[in-house]
Amino acid sequence: DADVTQTPRNRITKTGKRIMLECSQTKGHDRMYWYRQDPGLGLRLIYYSFDVKDINKGEISDGYSVSRQAQAKFSLSLESAIPNQTALYFCATSDPTSGRFTGELFFGEGSRLTVL
Amino acid sequence: DQQVKQNSPSLSVQEGRISILNCDYTNSMFDYFLWYKKYPAEGPTFLISISSIKDKNEDGRFTVFLNKSAKHLSLHIVPSQPGDSAVYFCAASGVDYGQNFVFGPGTRLSVLP
Repeated sequence: DADVTQTPRNRITKTGKRIMLECSQTKGHDRMYWYRQDPGLGLRLIYYSFDVKDINKGEISDGYSVSRQAQAKFSLSLESAIPNQTALYFCATSDPTSGRFTGELFFGEGSRLTVL
Repeated sequence: DQQVKQNSPSLSVQEGRISILNCDYTNSMFDYFLWYKKYPAEGPTFLISISSIKDKNEDGRFTVFLNKSAKHLSLHIVPSQPGDSAVYFCAASGVDYGQNFVFGPGTRLSVLP
């Protein structure tokens, strides 16, 4: 089983609908992130959380909100989806205190969202 | 304006030859750099990193070079294998980014048999 699991993997929705993307992890990491990937733009940070009580906006947080329900769970919500939020969304975790590579991110497999 | 640039959207290389992927950055406060590899339908996976106190880091077939004065880094893959075909992202971080990373747009590498 994947250490970072995203649901749903694919979702098609309509403009104005509320949509939630969920992320759960079994790595025991405190830090969790949501990124979106668009062609030609790479991955851009939407929100991040360094622990359950800590939520921070990233580069492109407008139109999004997040909830850190537990150390292992971090959800991304689009309150009223619009077509330019069509993208591939990635959840990631990190633990800067462990391993050889400080700051290494561990990504989920992605959630492809299409807003019509 | 993008702070991390990968000016080659794609690169094709023959199997066994060297692949060189380039990355340029504009923020002189960046002091830690990573390369990630991404296969279709999968999330990016960490490949190799380099700190600004070094100018080279090697891990098997993968070597990253950092030229701080030019604000340029490159990833060398020698020898290239068909399984290396993927999208490669360069990422940078610095103190003023709260340990978060800024990603480049990626380069799609195709290694031809």
